[in-house]
Amino acid sequence: SQELEQSPQSLIVQEGKNLTINCTSSKTLYGLYWYKQKYGEGLIFLMMLQKGGEEKSHEKITAKLDEKKQQSSLHITASQPSHAGIYLCGADPTGNQFYFGTGTSLTVIP
Amino acid sequence: EAQVTQNPRYLITVTGKKLTVTCSQNMNHEYMSWYRQDPGLGLRQIYYSMNVEVTDKGDVPEGYKVSRKEKRNFPLILESPSPNQTSLYFCASRYRGSNTEAFFGQGTRLTVV
Repeated sequence: SQELEQSPQSLIVQEGKNLTINCTSSKTLYGLYWYKQKYGEGLIFLMMLQKGGEEKSHEKITAKLDEKKQQSSLHITASQPSHAGIYLCGADPTGNQFYFGTGTSLTVIP
Repeated sequence: EAQVTQNPRYLITVTGKKLTVTCSQNMNHEYMSWYRQDPGLGLRQIYYSMNVEVTDKGDVPEGYKVSRKEKRNFPLILESPSPNQTSLYFCASRYRGSNTEAFFGQGTRLTVV
């Protein structure tokens, strides 16, 4: 199975600060997904990365997949309270099973 | 609007009383799956279905059943719920194949007393 380890487990930042969440895989990633979950609610798709070195941005969130395709990072610039939630990385190496990291809980203090 | 709909959103039941959580998607996705989310354990896959009449076990299938008689529906059945099945459940769907976005339902919070 694919194991995804996220760090940190939780993060508390002041509004306006930048932050980075990491996702490390035990195997080569052939597709890495980032989702956001508001507490107790469903998952919202953020981005998908496929190629080594790929980088994608959406509003103030940027995700990168390293060249070796075993690590991804999610960077939020100038964080806002609306960014608060749980961020999950996911992978689907076989097309059958989606594996998720344990998540990073983000709190943004106004 | 493209969506995955789960019902109910909240459910409190007693040990041993059979229940069904419904999941329906309107995107004509072949692939559907069920997850449970528990503190410290993250999201774990219970069952998945690659298409109609095709289902397979995920990582934690014990105590659960599923069926896929129609493409749009994928109900999760707990024949005899136990307190250790108290959890937050999510249904997801996507097009078949790797590297396709999965769409998630809003979740069902189940408490078994």
